[in-house]
Amino acid sequence: GENVEQHPSTLSVQEGDSAVIKCTYSDSASNYFPWYKQELGKGPQLIIDIRSNVGEKKDQRIAVTLNKTAKHFSLHITETQPEDSAVYFCAASKGGGADGLTFGKGTHLIIQP
Amino acid sequence: AAGVIQSPRHLIKEKRETATLKCYPIPRHDTVYWYQQGPGQDPQFLISFYEKMQSDKGSIPDRFSAQQFSDYHSELNMSSLELGDSALYFCASKQGEADTQYFGPGTRLTVL
Repeated sequence: GENVEQHPSTLSVQEGDSAVIKCTYSDSASNYFPWYKQELGKGPQLIIDIRSNVGEKKDQRIAVTLNKTAKHFSLHITETQPEDSAVYFCAASKGGGADGLTFGKGTHLIIQP
Repeated sequence: AAGVIQSPRHLIKEKRETATLKCYPIPRHDTVYWYQQGPGQDPQFLISFYEKMQSDKGSIPDRFSAQQFSDYHSELNMSSLELGDSALYFCASKQGEADTQYFGPGTRLTVL
């Protein structure tokens, strides 16, 4: 089955700086890669996603890049703000059907004021 | 916009008891997923349903069963509860061939 590895487990950045979280996946059949933000005691909230036919996607301060050959994808957050502090999960699936998501272990992002 | 609804939000049970968790997907969503998240861990996929049929199966214990009803809501039934079943249980839903899964607020199950 699919295995997703995520690094780092904790990331502390100064407010206004950029944050980068990296994930790798193992199953070449995976073609859908979402990123979720989870605040304490709440459900995961989708922040951005990318399909394997696209190399990069951007939404305001958030961007995701995908390297299909290396089976590697990354989340980039620019101009970080205190409200960006949360746990971020990457995930992978074959997409389209009803396949479950395989999540990375999560990154605790801390924005220092 | 309407979101995924889960009930109850909190549940406390004793060992060896049973529990039933309910999930009401976003209107017009026909696919439902169940995930289990232990403390400090990532969500683990349990099972999914599409148009009331089981579609994909993850690490769901044999003590657990689930189904999706004609109104598309889903129930996760958990029997012979163990201490290790204490976790957050999330339901997610999506529509048809779309990729995005929308998660509910979760049910926190505590087994004493």
